[in-house]
Amino acid sequence: QSALTQPASVSGSPGQSITISCTGTSSDVGGYNYVSWYQQHPGKAPKLMIYEVSNRPSGVPDRFSGSKSGNAASLTISGLQAEDEADYYCSSYTSSSTVVFGGGTKLTVL
Amino acid sequence: EVQLVESGGGLVQPGGSLRLSCAASGFTFSSYWMHWVRQAPGKGLVWVSRINSNGGSTSYADSVKGRFTISRDNAKNTLYLQMNSLGAEDTAVYYCARDRNFALDYWGQGILVTVSS
Repeated sequence: QSALTQPASVSGSPGQSITISCTGTSSDVGGYNYVSWYQQHPGKAPKLMIYEVSNRPSGVPDRFSGSKSGNAASLTISGLQAEDEADYYCSSYTSSSTVVFGGGTKLTVL
Repeated sequence: EVQLVESGGGLVQPGGSLRLSCAASGFTFSSYWMHWVRQAPGKGLVWVSRINSNGGSTSYADSVKGRFTISRDNAKNTLYLQMNSLGAEDTAVYYCARDRNFALDYWGQGILVTVSS
């Protein structure tokens, strides 16, 4: 049950676009379309931003989008805003019928 | 409004036990799989366990298998996590969360468990 691999940090200026990668294996990310993305502000509970690779829950701005290719998934945030500054985590269902998270990526809005 | 409220956390000595509860409201609890996720201070999210809607199927992270037990009482709309043989590595905020095809769409506010002598 190794954690999915995410970059430790990314940054961007307001209005720009950024992409956060999430790399797994054929036993998790590559094997199922059950990749999710979460946003977590300091001291708060995580919030679901993307489910099933590319679907947005109601209320999540369409600036957030997700995709997958092979064993890697990506979260793209376009039109970056100050309030997007947070930690982001990917997760995936696995062949062991478990869930695995990525190590998290700190997004800084410059 | 969906609400998940954890309770039962606190300070426990190494080797001790603790039972967390998660009271659910605002949705048909018995229709949903549920999960526990934890986050050590300053660290990332780590999945702990999940249970199916009727309690008949469970799975665990390797790090807690054999020590933690997830269960639920659908009549009381409550999810549980029994934690035994606790060690310092189990110190974390524990979240309960509702499942949506292995995405966690609603989370509780979290409850702190501290394992220390």
